[in-house]
Amino acid sequence: EAGVAQSPRYKIIEKRQSVAFWCNPISGHATLYWYQQILGQGPKLLIQFQNNGVVDDSQLPKDRFSAERLKGVDSTLKIQPAKLEDSAVYLCASSSRLAALYNEQFFGPGTRLTVL
Amino acid sequence: GIQVEQSPPDLILQEGANSTLRCNFSDSVNNLQWFHQNPWGQLINLFYIPSGTKQNGRLSATTVATERYSLLYISSSQTTDSGVYFCAVGSNYQLIWGAGTKLIIKP
Repeated sequence: EAGVAQSPRYKIIEKRQSVAFWCNPISGHATLYWYQQILGQGPKLLIQFQNNGVVDDSQLPKDRFSAERLKGVDSTLKIQPAKLEDSAVYLCASSSRLAALYNEQFFGPGTRLTVL
Repeated sequence: GIQVEQSPPDLILQEGANSTLRCNFSDSVNNLQWFHQNPWGQLINLFYIPSGTKQNGRLSATTVATERYSLLYISSSQTTDSGVYFCAVGSNYQLIWGAGTKLIIKP
């Protein structure tokens, strides 16, 4: 079974530029999560999708961050414009419908973003 | 909300040593997961263990839900075990994360 795929793996941008990350969950997983992990901290949930609907986006900075999962499969997270404090690893995770009830999540390799 | 505390925050060991990492949580939870984050940043599922004991090779984990703690045991440590070990508990359809234990295994 293929795992969660993410791209790109690394990205370096200047502040005020835009950036987008892509995630393809494990096949058949209905629930998809985006996390932000600042160096030295645990991951922070940004947004959770169930199929193509948003379940929780309470910690997403909506003035600059957006995410979509139009067909209920892969997802894109965008930052526009980026700030220095957005430098972090962006992790995507997925769960099957049953596993999501118990919060069992499987993570992709992450995208390391550096904002200069 | 639920608090998750991990100890110790840092651990430095020689290759071949054994270690025990602890995770305490402040309220009832419907699951608990242990993850290893390797030096390249990837989070790897180690155990899904809401209660009881599981073993996978040199790693094992025990969760005592009634006493609100979990332990991760690493035996015969190898340099590839280095990284950060996170405990995360499930509550209200979210994972609540501890701050992690940073483990360094010296050759």
